[in-house]
Amino acid sequence: DAGVIQSPRHEVTEMGQEVTLRCKPISGHNSLFWYRQTMMRGLELLIYFNNNVPIDDSGMPEDRFSAKMPNASFSTLKIQPSEPRDSAVYFCASSSRALSYEQYFGPGTRLTVT
Amino acid sequence: AQTVTQSQPEMSVQEAETVTLSCTYDTSESDYYLFWYKQPPSRQMILVIRQEAYKQQNATENRFSVNFQKAAKSFSLKISDSQLGDAAMYFCAYRSEGDSWGKLQFGAGTQVVVTP
Repeated sequence: DAGVIQSPRHEVTEMGQEVTLRCKPISGHNSLFWYRQTMMRGLELLIYFNNNVPIDDSGMPEDRFSAKMPNASFSTLKIQPSEPRDSAVYFCASSSRALSYEQYFGPGTRLTVT
Repeated sequence: AQTVTQSQPEMSVQEAETVTLSCTYDTSESDYYLFWYKQPPSRQMILVIRQEAYKQQNATENRFSVNFQKAAKSFSLKISDSQLGDAAMYFCAYRSEGDSWGKLQFGAGTQVVVTP
């Protein structure tokens, strides 16, 4: 298996622009998690899905952030409009009940908003 | 809500030596899972070791072993025969057995520096 795939790996954008981060979970995994990592706040859980349904989005910082999972093999995290304080590494992770919900992480997307 | 505490921001160890990272957690549950994840400079989060709370035997994975003290709510990671490749940020994480979706609670992390 290719593991969790995230794209792009790096994204540089200007303040006010829309940013879309993409994630492909491991095939067969039914839970998907979006995290944000910064030096100041560490690793934060933003939102997670189970069987494509959002379960808890209480970690989403503002209405500028939105996430979707239209099917079992694809999820997006969108920031509109982006701000410099959104600069961070964004991780996607997936897990499966059959594997005791061990989370497998993607390589992350480093977002820089100037 | 459960909290996970890693009190050591940074630990330094010489090659071939042993280092122990501490992790404590706060929970009222009896069934749960504990994990250690490694994040090297590449940023990739890698699962190092897992411990089920109902198991008394400490988990071991090659040079990595844990000391799980359930009553004390302590879950330390020991890295034996440290190698340069062990240099990374290490995160302790907790998952409730009752969580139906696999949500993890992470600690703040401990940076391990390995010196030749």
